[in-house]
Amino acid sequence: QKEVEQNSGPLSVPEGAIASLNCTYSDRGSQSFFWYRQYSGKSPELIMFIYSNGDKEDGRFTAQLNKASQYVSLLIRDSQPSDSATYLCAVTRYSSASKIIFGSGTRLSIRP
Amino acid sequence: DTAVSQTPKYLVTQMGNDKSIKCEQNLGHDTMYWYKQDSKKFLKIMFSYNNKELIINETVPNRFSPKSPDKAHLNLHINSLELGDSAVYFCASSLGGGNTGELFFGEGSRLTVL
Repeated sequence: QKEVEQNSGPLSVPEGAIASLNCTYSDRGSQSFFWYRQYSGKSPELIMFIYSNGDKEDGRFTAQLNKASQYVSLLIRDSQPSDSATYLCAVTRYSSASKIIFGSGTRLSIRP
Repeated sequence: DTAVSQTPKYLVTQMGNDKSIKCEQNLGHDTMYWYKQDSKKFLKIMFSYNNKELIINETVPNRFSPKSPDKAHLNLHINSLELGDSAVYFCASSLGGGNTGELFFGEGSRLTVL
């Protein structure tokens, strides 16, 4: 079982709709959760982080964390073509705070 | 000013050669990393240094040797290159501590081994 799992996609969403990206993790000791966006040929950039159960909103982005279900998600409202990218979920563990484990990413495509 | 810079951006070389990638960050961060991203976009941690001290050394062949001369620099030397080493290598930095997962990445160095 991979430590951090994501559906590779591609996930195709019409412009203006809500894109929902999901991530599960295997280690219950996971402490912090991150979403990175990576455009083709570019480096990953951090867009959201969440540490506590519940929702965290930042503009059009909402991160949701459910530690009991070991599940973290990213919602993108009013999807734009510029949101088309690969979204990487990442987690850190309390036992090894410097070790950031990434999922393999979900490719999101926003169709006009 | 680029926050995390890597050189070179592209390397094309033959099997068996040795190559180095350099990384520098001007963010004042304490922790630096090397990640390898394969053709399927999977980002795998290789090494991490905190204030010049090696703190993470994943299961990476001995042919890969990182060096951190100071906390702003982290280099990666690869001996006897193999076809499977072809990938994009990303350097990253973070403040460390509670901000560990907030990584700032360099632009990547695309290594092609022929």
